[in-house]
Amino acid sequence: DVKVTQSSRYLVKRTGEKVFLECVQDMDHENMFWYRQDPGLGLRLIYFSYDVKMKEKGDIPEGYSVSREKKERFSLILESASTNQTSMYLCASSFGAGYYGYTFGSGTRLTVV
Amino acid sequence: KNEVEQSPQNLTAQEGEFITINCSYSVGISALHWLQQHPGGGIVSLFMLSSGKKKHGRLIATINIQEKHSSLHITASHPRDSAVYICAVITQGGSEKLVFGKGTKLTVNP
Repeated sequence: DVKVTQSSRYLVKRTGEKVFLECVQDMDHENMFWYRQDPGLGLRLIYFSYDVKMKEKGDIPEGYSVSREKKERFSLILESASTNQTSMYLCASSFGAGYYGYTFGSGTRLTVV
Repeated sequence: KNEVEQSPQNLTAQEGEFITINCSYSVGISALHWLQQHPGGGIVSLFMLSSGKKKHGRLIATINIQEKHSSLHITASHPRDSAVYICAVITQGGSEKLVFGKGTKLTVNP
């Protein structure tokens, strides 16, 4: 069974901390994505990556960075966590232009206090 | 205006009812996805459509490319169908990114 695995389901961090959210896929997908989901706003794209060491900004990249050193792993980094980054974070991967479907992780609910 | 609009935002039904969720989009697309998200967060891809109709169990998805409209139908609804249903499109132009609707929250009461 193919999988996208996010390292934590729930995370509580303090304001100002550096936070790492990890995502690993076992499907050899080229494309990986990080989204955040907030009530009333739906899913919004933070960053995506088409290949190892490649990254592109999505719609809301401010306050975030990413790392993709290996094809299977895509990390989202909150350089200095703030309370407005409290959200549900979802990772996804896809093969090709998405015509073969997307696979989502289970999500990480991050609370910044 | 959002590129992908869903209706209704919220839907409450009795067990056994036939349910329809609608999705309209304003951009050219390569494909459209219907996604399901249960409480707890994980998202499951239900269908990917570029034309016509697909059926899986009690779920049916249709798309009309000319009218830029898709519908998700659930026959003989059940409380376990309670979830948020999200429509998402892949826009034309080679981008691999999804553009999402804001979701429809479905509650099916026993």
